Amino acid sequence: SQELEQSPQSLIVQEGKNLTINCTSSKTLYGLYWYKQKYGEGLIFLMMLQKGGEEKSHEKITAKLDEKKQQSSLHITASQPSHAGIYLCGAVPGGATNKLIFGTGTLLAVQP
Amino acid sequence: DGGITQSPKYLFRKEGQNVTLSCEQNLNHDAMYWYRQDPGQGLRLIYYSQIVNDFQKGDIAEGYSVSREKKESFPLTVTSAQKNPTAFYLCASSRSLAGAYEQYFGPGTRLTVT
Repeated sequence: SQELEQSPQSLIVQEGKNLTINCTSSKTLYGLYWYKQKYGEGLIFLMMLQKGGEEKSHEKITAKLDEKKQQSSLHITASQPSHAGIYLCGAVPGGATNKLIFGTGTLLAVQP
Repeated sequence: DGGITQSPKYLFRKEGQNVTLSCEQNLNHDAMYWYRQDPGQGLRLIYYSQIVNDFQKGDIAEGYSVSREKKESFPLTVTSAQKNPTAFYLCASSRSLAGAYEQYFGPGTRLTVT
């Protein structure tokens, strides 16, 4: 079965610093989703990547999917306290349906 | 405003009791999903439904049951057979089960069983 591994598990950064979160799959990714979650709340959709080499940006967050489609990275530029939360990657195993599997998440804290 | 609602936000039950978690969406989505989230384990799929009156078991369906009598509603029952029911439960929906459509999530229900 396909598994998603996220690194790091947790991250503390100073406000204004850049950071990167990685999501690595044991198999080819047919669709890679990034979500953000505040503790005790639902998930907020950030971005979806499908094609090898694809890159998308929204405000100060950029997500990339590598050419081999087995790793994705989420990069935050000039982090702010509002970026704090849990970042989860999700993927479609096999590509046939929209049943997602998720990584274990990366907890991000941003110190003012 | 379109979205997904889950109620209640917090739920407490005694061991041995069945409990039903509500999930309603007004996004006109065909597919709906139930996930369970435990610390350090990410989200795991319990049940999903592609269309009204149809649903399929996910990865951890034992001890749970669902129904899909209406397009907008997908309630989850946590039965007394579920060995570790205390968890954070998330409901989601997407336009379709097939294809690359993002899933929209509700705010979640935290269930505590003592």
